[in-house]
Amino acid sequence: SQKIEQNSEALNIQEGKTATLTCNYTNYSPAYLQWYRQDPGRGPVFLLLIRENEKEKRKERLKVTFDTTLKQSLFHITASQPADSATYLCALRSSTLGRLYFGRGTQLTVWP
Amino acid sequence: SQTIHQWPATLVQPVGSPLSLECTVEGTSNPNLYWYRQAAGRGLQLLFYSVGIGQISSEVPQNLSASRPQDRQFILSSKKLLLSDSGFYLCAWSVGMRGRYNEQFFGPGTRLTVL
Repeated sequence: SQKIEQNSEALNIQEGKTATLTCNYTNYSPAYLQWYRQDPGRGPVFLLLIRENEKEKRKERLKVTFDTTLKQSLFHITASQPADSATYLCALRSSTLGRLYFGRGTQLTVWP
Repeated sequence: SQTIHQWPATLVQPVGSPLSLECTVEGTSNPNLYWYRQAAGRGLQLLFYSVGIGQISSEVPQNLSASRPQDRQFILSSKKLLLSDSGFYLCAWSVGMRGRYNEQFFGPGTRLTVL
Protein backbone atom coordinates (compact mmCIF):
# COMPACT_ATOMS: atom_id res chain seq x y z
CA SER A 1 0.00 0.00 0.00
CA GLN A 2 1.04 3.59 -0.47
CA LYS A 3 2.78 5.24 2.42
CA ILE A 4 4.08 8.73 3.18
CA GLU A 5 6.28 9.33 6.22
CA GLN A 6 7.39 12.66 7.58
CA ASN A 7 10.55 12.43 9.63
CA SER A 8 9.24 13.22 13.04
CA GLU A 9 6.14 14.50 14.65
CA ALA A 10 7.96 17.46 16.17
CA LEU A 11 11.07 19.47 15.44
CA ASN A 12 12.41 22.21 17.70
CA ILE A 13 15.11 24.59 16.53
CA GLN A 14 16.56 27.93 17.51
CA GLU A 15 15.73 31.10 15.64
CA GLY A 16 18.14 31.80 12.80
CA LYS A 17 18.97 28.15 12.17
CA THR A 18 17.87 26.16 9.15
CA ALA A 19 14.97 23.78 9.68
CA THR A 20 15.02 20.62 7.57
CA LEU A 21 11.92 18.48 7.30
CA THR A 22 11.86 15.11 5.57
CA CYS A 23 9.16 13.40 3.56
CA ASN A 24 9.70 9.80 2.48
CA TYR A 25 7.33 7.78 0.37
CA THR A 26 6.92 4.20 -0.83
CA ASN A 27 4.90 2.56 -3.57
CA TYR A 28 4.25 5.80 -5.43
CA SER A 29 5.23 7.16 -8.78
CA PRO A 30 4.54 10.78 -7.98
CA ALA A 31 3.95 13.27 -10.71
CA TYR A 32 4.73 16.01 -8.23
CA LEU A 33 5.04 16.75 -4.57
CA GLN A 34 3.64 19.65 -2.59
CA TRP A 35 4.33 21.19 0.79
CA TYR A 36 1.70 22.89 2.93
CA ARG A 37 1.74 24.84 6.17
CA GLN A 38 -0.99 24.38 8.75
CA ASP A 39 -1.51 26.55 11.80
CA PRO A 40 -3.57 25.27 14.75
CA GLY A 41 -7.28 25.30 14.03
CA ARG A 42 -6.80 26.44 10.44
CA GLY A 43 -6.80 24.80 7.04
CA PRO A 44 -3.49 23.99 5.32
CA VAL A 45 -1.96 26.64 3.08
CA PHE A 46 -0.06 25.71 -0.06
CA LEU A 47 3.64 26.65 -0.07
CA LEU A 48 5.54 24.96 -2.87
CA LEU A 49 5.19 22.40 -5.62
CA ILE A 50 8.01 20.43 -7.20
CA ARG A 51 7.66 18.18 -10.22
CA GLU A 52 9.24 14.77 -10.67
CA ASN A 53 11.70 16.12 -13.22
CA GLU A 54 12.84 18.95 -10.94
CA LYS A 55 15.60 18.55 -8.38
CA GLU A 56 15.13 21.74 -6.41
CA LYS A 57 12.69 24.61 -6.04
CA ARG A 58 13.10 27.82 -4.06
CA LYS A 59 10.78 30.49 -2.79
CA GLU A 60 12.18 33.20 -0.55
CA ARG A 61 13.54 31.39 2.54
CA LEU A 62 12.06 28.06 1.50
CA LYS A 63 13.79 25.35 -0.48
CA VAL A 64 12.44 21.97 -1.54
CA THR A 65 14.38 19.09 -3.03
CA PHE A 66 12.96 16.00 -4.69
CA ASP A 67 14.93 12.79 -5.13
CA THR A 68 12.85 10.18 -6.95
CA THR A 69 15.64 7.61 -6.57
CA LEU A 70 15.67 7.92 -2.80
CA LYS A 71 11.89 8.53 -2.81
CA GLN A 72 12.43 11.53 -0.61
CA SER A 73 11.76 15.24 -0.43
CA LEU A 74 13.51 17.65 1.89
CA PHE A 75 11.94 20.94 2.92
CA HIS A 76 14.28 23.63 4.25
CA ILE A 77 13.48 26.92 5.97
CA THR A 78 16.56 29.08 6.22
CA ALA A 79 17.01 31.82 8.80
CA SER A 80 14.04 30.42 10.68
CA GLN A 81 11.82 32.70 12.72
CA PRO A 82 9.31 32.04 15.53
CA ALA A 83 6.59 32.92 13.01
CA ASP A 84 7.60 29.83 11.04
CA SER A 85 6.28 27.66 13.88
CA ALA A 86 3.51 25.50 12.44
CA THR A 87 2.82 22.00 11.16
CA TYR A 88 4.18 21.28 7.70
CA LEU A 89 2.55 18.67 5.50
CA CYS A 90 3.87 17.02 2.40
CA ALA A 91 1.51 15.68 -0.23
CA LEU A 92 2.03 13.57 -3.32
CA ARG A 93 0.01 13.40 -6.46
CA SER A 94 0.42 10.06 -8.14
CA SER A 95 1.07 10.07 -11.87
CA THR A 96 -1.67 7.50 -12.29
CA LEU A 97 -4.22 8.70 -9.77
CA GLY A 98 -5.56 12.24 -9.57
CA ARG A 99 -5.85 12.62 -5.84
CA LEU A 100 -3.33 13.98 -3.35
CA TYR A 101 -1.98 11.80 -0.55
CA PHE A 102 -0.96 13.73 2.57
CA GLY A 103 1.59 12.86 5.20
CA ARG A 104 0.75 13.34 8.88
CA GLY A 105 2.90 16.42 9.14
CA THR A 106 5.82 17.62 11.20
CA GLN A 107 5.22 20.20 13.91
CA LEU A 108 7.98 22.78 13.80
CA THR A 109 8.70 25.05 16.76
CA VAL A 110 11.22 27.85 16.37
CA TRP A 111 12.27 29.32 19.69
CA PRO A 112 13.90 32.71 20.18
CA SER B 1 -9.74 36.44 -6.21
CA GLN B 2 -10.98 33.07 -5.07
CA THR B 3 -12.51 32.48 -1.66
CA ILE B 4 -13.72 29.35 0.04
CA HIS B 5 -16.26 29.37 2.83
CA GLN B 6 -17.25 26.69 5.31
CA TRP B 7 -19.87 26.69 7.98
CA PRO B 8 -20.42 26.26 10.74
CA ALA B 9 -17.00 26.83 12.29
CA THR B 10 -17.76 24.59 15.26
CA LEU B 11 -20.48 22.08 15.93
CA VAL B 12 -21.38 19.85 18.86
CA GLN B 13 -23.85 17.12 18.04
CA PRO B 14 -25.22 14.10 19.90
CA VAL B 15 -24.63 10.59 18.65
CA GLY B 16 -27.32 9.56 16.20
CA SER B 17 -28.17 13.07 15.08
CA PRO B 18 -27.93 14.19 11.42
CA LEU B 19 -25.18 16.34 10.00
CA SER B 20 -24.94 18.88 7.23
CA LEU B 21 -21.77 20.85 6.52
CA GLU B 22 -21.64 23.29 3.67
CA CYS B 23 -18.80 24.58 1.57
CA THR B 24 -18.95 27.22 -1.14
CA VAL B 25 -16.29 28.61 -3.43
CA GLU B 26 -16.26 32.04 -5.03
CA GLY B 27 -14.25 33.44 -7.87
CA THR B 28 -13.69 30.30 -9.93
CA SER B 29 -15.66 27.99 -12.17
CA ASN B 30 -15.68 24.20 -12.52
CA PRO B 31 -13.40 23.59 -9.55
CA ASN B 32 -12.52 20.18 -8.21
CA LEU B 33 -13.92 19.99 -4.70
CA TYR B 34 -12.80 17.87 -1.77
CA TRP B 35 -13.88 16.94 1.75
CA TYR B 36 -11.18 15.90 4.22
CA ARG B 37 -11.28 14.88 7.85
CA GLN B 38 -8.39 15.45 10.21
CA ALA B 39 -8.63 13.55 13.48
CA ALA B 40 -6.49 14.59 16.44
CA GLY B 41 -2.87 13.57 15.85
CA ARG B 42 -3.63 12.12 12.44
CA GLY B 43 -3.16 13.20 8.87
CA LEU B 44 -5.65 14.47 6.36
CA GLN B 45 -8.03 11.75 5.27
CA LEU B 46 -9.76 12.32 1.95
CA LEU B 47 -13.46 11.52 2.27
CA PHE B 48 -14.98 12.66 -1.02
CA TYR B 49 -14.01 14.52 -4.14
CA SER B 50 -15.98 15.90 -7.04
CA VAL B 51 -14.98 16.98 -10.53
CA GLY B 52 -18.40 18.35 -11.47
CA ILE B 53 -22.03 18.84 -10.49
CA GLY B 54 -23.54 15.58 -9.31
CA GLN B 55 -20.23 13.72 -9.64
CA ILE B 56 -19.05 12.37 -6.31
CA SER B 57 -16.26 9.89 -5.63
CA SER B 58 -15.99 8.30 -2.22
CA GLU B 59 -12.63 7.34 -0.82
CA VAL B 60 -13.63 5.72 2.43
CA PRO B 61 -16.81 3.73 3.07
CA GLN B 62 -18.60 5.16 6.07
CA ASN B 63 -21.83 6.69 7.20
CA LEU B 64 -21.09 10.01 5.52
CA SER B 65 -22.24 11.18 2.11
CA ALA B 66 -21.55 14.17 -0.08
CA SER B 67 -23.47 16.08 -2.70
CA ARG B 68 -22.67 18.80 -5.19
CA PRO B 69 -25.93 20.48 -6.14
CA GLN B 70 -24.25 23.48 -7.77
CA ASP B 71 -20.90 24.07 -9.42
CA ARG B 72 -19.39 25.80 -6.42
CA GLN B 73 -21.27 24.15 -3.57
CA PHE B 74 -20.25 21.00 -1.78
CA ILE B 75 -22.21 19.47 1.09
CA LEU B 76 -21.17 16.79 3.57
CA SER B 77 -23.98 14.92 5.30
CA SER B 78 -24.77 12.13 7.65
CA LYS B 79 -28.08 10.64 8.70
CA LYS B 80 -26.77 9.38 12.04
CA LEU B 81 -23.51 10.58 13.57
CA LEU B 82 -21.11 8.25 15.35
CA LEU B 83 -18.61 9.14 18.05
CA SER B 84 -15.86 8.34 15.57
CA ASP B 85 -17.12 11.10 13.28
CA SER B 86 -15.61 13.73 15.56
CA GLY B 87 -12.81 15.67 13.94
CA PHE B 88 -11.80 18.69 11.94
CA TYR B 89 -13.54 18.75 8.56
CA LEU B 90 -11.90 20.63 5.76
CA CYS B 91 -13.25 21.53 2.37
CA ALA B 92 -10.80 22.30 -0.42
CA TRP B 93 -10.85 23.20 -4.07
CA SER B 94 -8.39 22.99 -6.92
CA VAL B 95 -8.30 24.01 -10.53
CA GLY B 96 -9.69 21.31 -12.80
CA MET B 97 -7.33 18.77 -14.29
CA ARG B 98 -6.49 20.99 -17.22
CA GLY B 99 -5.00 23.58 -14.88
CA ARG B 100 -1.26 24.12 -14.74
CA TYR B 101 -1.11 23.37 -11.08
CA ASN B 102 -3.23 21.28 -8.80
CA GLU B 103 -2.45 22.77 -5.44
CA GLN B 104 -5.43 22.69 -3.18
CA PHE B 105 -6.92 25.67 -1.42
CA PHE B 106 -8.48 24.86 1.91
CA GLY B 107 -11.36 26.42 3.76
CA PRO B 108 -11.24 27.43 7.43
CA GLY B 109 -12.63 24.08 8.58
CA THR B 110 -15.42 22.87 10.86
CA ARG B 111 -14.61 21.42 14.24
CA LEU B 112 -17.18 18.68 14.90
CA THR B 113 -17.57 17.07 18.30
CA VAL B 114 -19.95 14.16 18.63
CA LEU B 115 -21.01 13.43 22.19
